[in-house]
Amino acid sequence: EVQLVQSGAEVRKPGESLKISCKGSGYTFTSYWIGWVRQMPGKGLEWMGFIYPGDSDTRYSPSFQGQVTISADKSISTAYLQWSSLKASDTAMYYCARSEMATNTDYWGQGTLVTVSS
Amino acid sequence: QSVLTQPPSVSGAPGQRVTISCTGSSSNIGAAYDVHWHQQLPGTAPKLLIYANSNRPSGVPDRFSGSKSGTSASLAITGLQAEDEADYYCQSYDTKMRGVVFGGGTKLTVL
Repeated sequence: EVQLVQSGAEVRKPGESLKISCKGSGYTFTSYWIGWVRQMPGKGLEWMGFIYPGDSDTRYSPSFQGQVTISADKSISTAYLQWSSLKASDTAMYYCARSEMATNTDYWGQGTLVTVSS
Repeated sequence: QSVLTQPPSVSGAPGQRVTISCTGSSSNIGAAYDVHWHQQLPGTAPKLLIYANSNRPSGVPDRFSGSKSGTSASLAITGLQAEDEADYYCQSYDTKMRGVVFGGGTKLTVL
């Protein structure tokens, strides 16, 4: 059974750094892309970027390029999304999702709620 | 402003049929990229409902169907049930954005 399990909810202050994770199981982690999707409170889904853990090829949405860093550690089947300096506007639910060709998503993680508040 | 346009809301009575449209352009749906649909029940993560325009993953009832024509796609739900009340999102790939794009989402209310 394909599963994507994300790390727990986080609360941070503006300016702080953060790294959240997404662990894949039930499939060959290095053969599929992992994407990250933002959902701000009461809003829709926004694609942030993809990483291919097999060779670390990474693609960012123009809206998120330079704002976040996507990485992966294939030895532990885990992908990451990180911020170096959080803003209040980063408050959102973040989902990871698997993709076969970086053009779609099939399986989703349960989401990680990030709250940034002073 | 989403690249793919969906109606903000649709509604229907139990047992009825509803459709949700997803309108794109020549750089996404019209460029022959597949359309996928995701269902997000209240307070939960999205779930893939229809992939590659008209295919249902295992476990998705055949009450859900998808179609695509030109620069648009549609999701149809027949025999509406209370448990179908959710947000529905279309998804495709866009060559100008060089990435995945989502519709703004449609909230389905079962009356």
